[in-house]
Amino acid sequence: GAVVSQHPSRVICKSGTSVKIECRSLDFQATTMFWYRQFPKQSLMLMATSNEGSKATYEQGVEKDKFLINHASLTLSTLTVTSAHPEDSSFYICSASVGGASTDTQYFGPGTRLTVL
Amino acid sequence: SQKIEQNSEALNIQEGKTATLTCNYTNYSPAYLQWYRQDPGRGPVFLLLIRENEKEKRKERLKVTFDTTLKQSLFHITASQPADSATYLCALDFGTGKLIFGQGTTLQVKP
Repeated sequence: GAVVSQHPSRVICKSGTSVKIECRSLDFQATTMFWYRQFPKQSLMLMATSNEGSKATYEQGVEKDKFLINHASLTLSTLTVTSAHPEDSSFYICSASVGGASTDTQYFGPGTRLTVL
Repeated sequence: SQKIEQNSEALNIQEGKTATLTCNYTNYSPAYLQWYRQDPGRGPVFLLLIRENEKEKRKERLKVTFDTTLKQSLFHITASQPADSATYLCALDFGTGKLIFGQGTTLQVKP
């Protein structure tokens, strides 16, 4: 149980285009989903927290107009990287939590490798 | 700002030995401290959570300690196996549900 999927697993796009990444909780309902970014040899950095049906909360330094997050249902959240640039190339990982509380386990997806040319 | 330090050098041990990984942090102690395993090109997998008022937590071959005086958590894998080879991440939670991750330590268990 507690499986989270991400699609696509890899994406290559041209600079200036937009890319959408999907995060799905397959066998449970996730009130809260988190989006992280991980650069090579670095730690996961939280980008934003999304709760179903409400606007996402972005961490300091993360541009909300560039990284659009939609959490329209209890099993799906999407991250859209708008007008992507090479510096946006990274490993994007989502996690899903039943309630979002500290004692609610975050189940992570397998990640999406984004390469912007 | 809050800093988390995990040994960036890989830890190499022989199969059957106990692996001990360290997570040190600065400033405030988190309400919760978690350990995750991450394999190359994959998302992290939750292993253990320990609360600030707990000294030790165990799960099968895994043991975590939490010392708020030293601002340190130790993660032990007993009777290590080659399949335990991975990167292990510690993460701090100050009661908000948001996780602040360390850089991780890579463990290599040799047969």
